[in-house]
Amino acid sequence: DQQVKQNSPSLSVQEGRISILNCDYTNSMFDYFLWYKKYPAEGPTFLISISSIKDKNEDGRFTVFLNKSAKHLSLHIVPSQPGDSAVYFCAARAVGGADGLTFGKGTHLIIQP
Amino acid sequence: DAGVIQSPRHEVTEMGQEVTLRCKPISGHDYLFWYRQTMMRGLELLIYFNNNVPIDDSGMPEDRFSAKMPNASFSTLKIQPSEPRDSAVYFCASRWTAHTGQFFGPGTRLTVL
Repeated sequence: DQQVKQNSPSLSVQEGRISILNCDYTNSMFDYFLWYKKYPAEGPTFLISISSIKDKNEDGRFTVFLNKSAKHLSLHIVPSQPGDSAVYFCAARAVGGADGLTFGKGTHLIIQP
Repeated sequence: DAGVIQSPRHEVTEMGQEVTLRCKPISGHDYLFWYRQTMMRGLELLIYFNNNVPIDDSGMPEDRFSAKMPNASFSTLKIQPSEPRDSAVYFCASRWTAHTGQFFGPGTRLTVL
């Protein structure tokens, strides 16, 4: 039973356009959400996070939006650049629970020149 | 800082053999996590430590798996005996209490024949 779902295994976006990666979750106890980026043969790298008390967090070209009522979050990358091509993982942490993260299966973002 | 260090980067072994994976967390980090990544299940938390003490090992799949953290700068994940279904990429991650984002090592790709 996947508590964090990324329903798009891959996404192709043209360079310069906006990339939108989506993530849904089922556990109401999640209070903190993170996005990680992973290149082949490397470990995931922390990208951006958002607390459940917020609905938006921005860091340069990256913005994460959280819709608690829909149990949905999204990562926007604008403008998309070739170096953004990677696998993006959505992760969540439960309040008062384990400090470990629950990850989605990832979305492979491909930026087309 | 060199980041989280894992060794070996690749391990190929035969079924029934003992396998030991090693991790050196980032200096000053007081949490250490072991994850496993497979195609079927994605990234799963196996066990995590806080100040060298195992806190949650509910993700450890079987008694064949064990993990130790003898000091703040070293941890091991041992599989004995190994089986082909243990083939996966094993990641170690660490973090500091005040930061929720975890820093991942490059992973160990384990192949059990």
